[in-house]
Amino acid sequence: EIVLTQSPATLSLSPGERATLSCRASQNVNSQLAWFQQKPGQAPRLLIYDATNRAIGIPARFSGSGSGTDFTLTISSLEPEDFAVYYCQQRSKWPRTFGQGTKVEIK
Amino acid sequence: EVQLVESGGGLVQPGGSLRLSCAASGFSFSNSGMNWVRQAPGKGLEWVAYISGSSGFIYHADSVKGRFSISRDNAKNSLYLQMNSLRAEDTAVYYCARDTSGYVTDYWGQGTLVTVSS
Repeated sequence: EIVLTQSPATLSLSPGERATLSCRASQNVNSQLAWFQQKPGQAPRLLIYDATNRAIGIPARFSGSGSGTDFTLTISSLEPEDFAVYYCQQRSKWPRTFGQGTKVEIK
Repeated sequence: EVQLVESGGGLVQPGGSLRLSCAASGFSFSNSGMNWVRQAPGKGLEWVAYISGSSGFIYHADSVKGRFSISRDNAKNSLYLQMNSLRAEDTAVYYCARDTSGYVTDYWGQGTLVTVSS
């Protein structure tokens, strides 16, 4: 199965700062990678699909880049509501797999 | 509005069985692939199973293969997960989630908690 490795495990930043989250795949997933945000007690929310496309209703401060095996989620200027856990997921090969998550916490 | 509502979770003894349901509304259910994804307490997300709109393609994660079975009833707009031979490590919140026609998982339910313990 394809292993997704996210880094860092935790990112400590202040509101207004830029967040850069990484997701590396153990093999080529083309652009079939998504990013989800999850807050405590809530279901995950789709942010980015197919590596670079923002989902409906997602603010422009969220952007995705990458292809092949290396992907990045960037939050250009953190808002208070952006402090959460972020997961990447690939759908290129079965079984679908998730990264272990990156927690973005308030510094 | 897309809505996915899971039910059927609860406390079950090791070796026991449970059937989860997911009631769908607000979209063309029969044309949508569906997933079960779980999350153990304090842990990350683990994809469990997928079923296509027509039930013609089904895939289970190795961790549940032979014990869990995904199914659907398009007439009832419902998704199911039959879970047998449950183990302590199956304890998790189980989410149902919809795929778009492009196989992107977009909407998720709020989840139902399954606890396997004696």
